[in-house]
Amino acid sequence: GENVEQHPSTLSVQEGDSAVIKCTYSDSASNYFPWYKQELGKRPQLIIDIRSNVGEKKDQRIAVTLNKTAKHFSLHITETQPEDSAVYFCAASDLNSGYSTLTFGKGTMLLVSP
Amino acid sequence: DVKVTQSSRYLVKRTGEKVFLECVQDMDHENMFWYRQDPGLGLRLIYFSYDVKMKEKGDIPEGYSVSREKKERFSLILESASTNQTSMYLCASSSGLSGYTFGSGTRLTVV
Repeated sequence: GENVEQHPSTLSVQEGDSAVIKCTYSDSASNYFPWYKQELGKRPQLIIDIRSNVGEKKDQRIAVTLNKTAKHFSLHITETQPEDSAVYFCAASDLNSGYSTLTFGKGTMLLVSP
Repeated sequence: DVKVTQSSRYLVKRTGEKVFLECVQDMDHENMFWYRQDPGLGLRLIYFSYDVKMKEKGDIPEGYSVSREKKERFSLILESASTNQTSMYLCASSSGLSGYTFGSGTRLTVV
């Protein structure tokens, strides 16, 4: 089955800095890579996703890049703000499999200090 | 605007009890999932269902079972609760074409 590794487990930055979270996956059949943000005490929410036919996707201050050859993808947050503080999860799935189960990384706790 | 609803936010049960966790979605999604979330371990898949009355084991099904009698409802059952099942349980649904929508979670404590 799929295995997703996520690094770092914790990340502390100053407000205004950039933050990068990296994930690797093992199954070359995976073709869908979402990122979830989970604020303290709340449900995980999808913030951005990318499919394997695209190398990069951007939405305002967040962007995701995908390197299929190396089987890794990354989340980039620019101009970080205190409200970006949360746990971020990457995930991978094969949407052609019919079940589309997501395999998650273990999460990165991002702390943005004012 | 809530689309995936879990019936309880907090539950405290005794060891050996049979526990039911309920999840309802209103998006007409085919797929529903149960994950447990533990610090340092991320989200681990317990069971999922891709259709009414259908179920598939995930990565950690031991000690759990599920029921899906209607498309919108997916129940997780702990046959005989144990302390190592103390955790946050997250239900999710999807259409199979994109990511999940999660419920708010049920924090279960087994004493």
